Amino acid sequence: DAGVTQSPTHLIKTRGQQVTLRCSPISGHKSVSWYQQVLGQGPQFIFQYYEKEERGRGNFPDRFSARQFPNYSSELNVNALLLGDSALYLCASTYSGGAPDTQYFGPGTRLTVL
Amino acid sequence: GQQVMQIPQYQHVQEGEDFTTYCNSSTTLSNIQWYKQRPGGHPVFLIQLVKSGEVKKQKRLTFQFGEAKKNSSLHITATQTTDVGTYFCAPNFNKFYFGSGTKLNVKP
Repeated sequence: DAGVTQSPTHLIKTRGQQVTLRCSPISGHKSVSWYQQVLGQGPQFIFQYYEKEERGRGNFPDRFSARQFPNYSSELNVNALLLGDSALYLCASTYSGGAPDTQYFGPGTRLTVL
Repeated sequence: GQQVMQIPQYQHVQEGEDFTTYCNSSTTLSNIQWYKQRPGGHPVFLIQLVKSGEVKKQKRLTFQFGEAKKNSSLHITATQTTDVGTYFCAPNFNKFYFGSGTKLNVKP
């Protein structure tokens, strides 16, 4: 079975633009979480979705939004990009979405905002 | 609010030396996970600790959960160059949280 997949792998945008990142969880996993990892720091939790509903939200502005589709894949949208949004965006899938669940991370999308 | 400190931030060792990273919380944890992230890679799950005083081993890696469930450690015996990377603790505060990580560099 394939692991967690993310697309695109790299992305370059300019300030003010909008971006959509995509994630497909491991087959059978029903929960997807999104993280932002700035260089040299640990992953920061953005959102968690389980069964298409938002289960948790981190301390990020409303410019960040996400959704989960019936096939459990997910999209993360960021509007009005700022230079500080440049980071590695990681998607993690878990079976049930409970915090003790093992998280399986995808390779990430490297976003550069110029 | 919940606070977690992971120390040290960086560690440079000679191959063959031991390495330890610590994760300290201001509040009691229900469980804690550890992840490793290789340079340019993504976090990979290593272990989960649940019980007070729990000790788990994976080859040269030893993980401990404190008796009070407020701290945890990861010890690597006789480091190898393949151990290079950043080690993160992920304590359970009923939401997903990662420590700041300890970056390990191993000199051959």
